[in-house]
Amino acid sequence: GQNIDQPTEMTATEGAIVQINCTYQTSGFNGLFWYQQHAGEAPTFLSYNVLDGLEEKGRFSSFLSRSKGYSYLLLKELQMKDSASYLCAVLDSNYQLIWGAGTKLIIKP
Amino acid sequence: GAVVSQHPSWVICKSGTSVKIECRSLDFQATTMFWYRQFPKQSLMLMATSNEGSKATYEQGVEKDKFLINHASLTLSTLTVTSAHPEDSSFYICSARDPLAGEADTQYFGPGTRLTVL
Repeated sequence: GQNIDQPTEMTATEGAIVQINCTYQTSGFNGLFWYQQHAGEAPTFLSYNVLDGLEEKGRFSSFLSRSKGYSYLLLKELQMKDSASYLCAVLDSNYQLIWGAGTKLIIKP
Repeated sequence: GAVVSQHPSWVICKSGTSVKIECRSLDFQATTMFWYRQFPKQSLMLMATSNEGSKATYEQGVEKDKFLINHASLTLSTLTVTSAHPEDSSFYICSARDPLAGEADTQYFGPGTRLTVL
């Protein structure tokens, strides 16, 4: 079956760095997305990785290893507004989105 | 975990026809479902919020007469794109909220339906 795993919840301190991991097992792979979702709002696109390696975009970076079925989202210089759920989703061979359950990130002062 | 399915996975239709997309919560009852559309590498755009037994709430700019939503049961919501045109081609994604889940705001997302209008 198809499966995406990510931690349910993480806690970090304002100003620190946090890494949210995502592992996947899917039928085919056409890219991996990271979204941020604040409570009561629609998910916001953060990144899309289809090739191995690290992509940096400001305070956020996303890494992909296709051979390991692994990705992580790295958040630097954490701010209180980064408190949200972070969703990992993989586009499979049929271009269907397989969603992780999301990681709730709690930022403490 | 909770599973949300969508049918069909993809559909190609001629301009002017209507297309119905189903969203089902498979192992939980969803009093609230959401419909989104997504263009490539862009954020999900909320189209409407569907509540079981009542009329859907549409976001500003979304034509309710064009995108008909019916939430007839606690496990099924349908989105009908009426008189579809090429500009309606998009990836439509639904999500469902499990009222019994620990986190009240937790949404479970469907795999999406890719609509192509010729």
